[in-house]
Amino acid sequence: AVQLTQSPSSLSASVGDRVTITCRASQGINSALAWYQQKRGSPPNLLIYDASSLESGVPSRFSGSGSGTDFTLTISSLQPDDFATYYCQQFNSYPLTFGGGTKVEIK
Amino acid sequence: QEQLVESGGGVVQPGRSLRLSCAASGFPFSRFGLHWVRQTPGKGLEWVATISYDGGQKYYTDSVKGRFTISRDNSKNSLFLEMSSLRGDDTAIYFCAKEQGWLNGLYNYYLDVWGKGTTVTVSS
Repeated sequence: AVQLTQSPSSLSASVGDRVTITCRASQGINSALAWYQQKRGSPPNLLIYDASSLESGVPSRFSGSGSGTDFTLTISSLQPDDFATYYCQQFNSYPLTFGGGTKVEIK
Repeated sequence: QEQLVESGGGVVQPGRSLRLSCAASGFPFSRFGLHWVRQTPGKGLEWVATISYDGGQKYYTDSVKGRFTISRDNSKNSLFLEMSSLRGDDTAIYFCAKEQGWLNGLYNYYLDVWGKGTTVTVSS
């Protein structure tokens, strides 16, 4: 199974900061990666698919990049609504796998 | 509005069975693959199972193979997860989720609609 390692596991940032989260796959997964945002008590919400495509309705401050084994989610200017946990998920092969999550907290 | 609503969760003793349901609305159900994903309280997400649009293909995570069965009834816009021989480590919130489907001529498997989840607690 493909293992996804996210880093950091948590971070503290201020409103307006640029935030970068990484996801590393244990083997190449082409661009078959999604990023989700999850807030407490709610299901995950799709932000990015195909590693870099922005899901409809998601603010443009979110962006994704990468292919193969190394991927990045960037929030260009952190907003109050962005404090949440972020997960990557690979769709290259079964079993599908998620990263361990990155909790973004208020500094 | 596309919507998924899970039901069937509860408290069950180890070794017993439980059937989860997921009712869909707002989209052509029979055209999309569907997934079950679970989340242990306070922890991360774990993919559980996938079923293709017509039920012809099914995939499972190793820890549930032989114990869980995913199925669907396209005439009733419903997805199911039959869980047997339940164990303590099956305790989780179970979400159903829908694949994105056809986009720009390609079928995408990413999960764009999720239900709010139903809680399964396995305890004696």
